[in-house]
Amino acid sequence: QVQLVQSGAEVKKPGASVKVSCKASGYTFSIYAIHWVRQAPGQRPEWMGWINVANGNTKYSQKFQGRVTITRDTSASTAYMELSSLRFEDTAVYYCARDEYDDIDVWGQGTTVTVSS
Amino acid sequence: DIQMTQSPSSLSASVGDRVTISCRASQGIRIDLGWYQQKPGKAPKRLIYAASSLQSGVPSRFSGSGSGTEFTLTISSLQPEDFATYYCLQHNSYPWTFGQGTKVEIK
Repeated sequence: QVQLVQSGAEVKKPGASVKVSCKASGYTFSIYAIHWVRQAPGQRPEWMGWINVANGNTKYSQKFQGRVTITRDTSASTAYMELSSLRFEDTAVYYCARDEYDDIDVWGQGTTVTVSS
Repeated sequence: DIQMTQSPSSLSASVGDRVTISCRASQGIRIDLGWYQQKPGKAPKRLIYAASSLQSGVPSRFSGSGSGTEFTLTISSLQPEDFATYYCLQHNSYPWTFGQGTKVEIK
């Protein structure tokens, strides 16, 4: 079955960077784009950006432009999201999700990122 | 950015009740809307895509309707496992945006 498995929880200090991975299985990785969405405690989900896995093109939310980088390794069927210059308010669960026909169908299990001094 | 406003923010209903959740977009989004169910500590799960199409494997008691700016998710007969928070997501224009959520509690 289609699965997205993310890397484990991270604790980072303010100003540091975090890189979260998302390994896909059960489908042809290069055919579907991957989105990244985060959800702060008690808040609605927030779309961060996406990558066209086939050609590597990306689109980011203006809110995260300059701080977020989404990449992929097609040989490893894995997508990555790196967020830099971390702030306390970046504490959230970060999800990768598959794009099906310009919509999100399958989600990863989530990765908790805690920013703490 | 397109603002998505859900109502109500929370509701309490009995097993077997019909439940309706609304989502309003700040500008027209055609039918570029999905509905998601999220249980505590879990990732969202898609229920409805393209405003009214039922995701494979999702019980038929869930249905969606609407287009343009007004959308509705209906649960025809609420079941105990439907306790969750429900979100709408517009994917008409970037940045994609979610509604603030509707928490459904079982009486």
